[in-house]
Amino acid sequence: DGGITQSPKYLFRKEGQNVTLSCEQNLNHDAMYWYRQDPGQGLRLIYYSQIVNDFQKGDIAEGYSVSREKKESFPLTVTSAQKNPTAFYLCASQFVGEGTDTQYFGPGTRLTVL
Amino acid sequence: GNSVTQMEGPVTLSEEAFLTINCTYTATGYPSLFWYVQYPGEGLQLLLKATKADDKGSNKGFEATYRKETTSFHLEKGSVQVSDSAVYFCALRRSGGYNKLIFGAGTRLAVHP
Repeated sequence: DGGITQSPKYLFRKEGQNVTLSCEQNLNHDAMYWYRQDPGQGLRLIYYSQIVNDFQKGDIAEGYSVSREKKESFPLTVTSAQKNPTAFYLCASQFVGEGTDTQYFGPGTRLTVL
Repeated sequence: GNSVTQMEGPVTLSEEAFLTINCTYTATGYPSLFWYVQYPGEGLQLLLKATKADDKGSNKGFEATYRKETTSFHLEKGSVQVSDSAVYFCALRRSGGYNKLIFGAGTRLAVHP
């Protein structure tokens, strides 16, 4: 089945540790995105990538890092520099082309810092 | 700048009631407008969209009309079901350039039997 997978579903981290969230898609989409969701708030864009080996900061990139070595994969690392990392993280992907503007979302990873 | 404002929730309705969730936007140019739905513990799913003024998006009994004169994209459903209980997000994608989505804060809907 085609889709976006995120793993793990739940993740616990001690303060001061880096942690990497996985996002994989087999939709052959060019663009991929990472969002953060906090209670009572909309989604905020962390990083995005429109092509392999290129990515751009979103609105709240501080304390996060990404890589895009393969079209299918866009892992997000939450570093110890992120002061308040407990949140729900959503990955999305999108085909880039004329008339295409729909982003498809994965099931999310809930990160809790202990 | 570009922004989306949704009515605050939670919205609590009885089954078969009429639903309206208000959404207004601020944007330059001619953005595309979206409604996404998030069921508990899951990611977002596209519910419907409209790409130009006066377009009506519809899906699963939900409808929303792109009103440029009032900069609105209100979500409606004539008869809600318990299974519609979820969080609904209004979003816009500005015209031209990069495909960034700007989301509203979300409105939680709870439907009781």
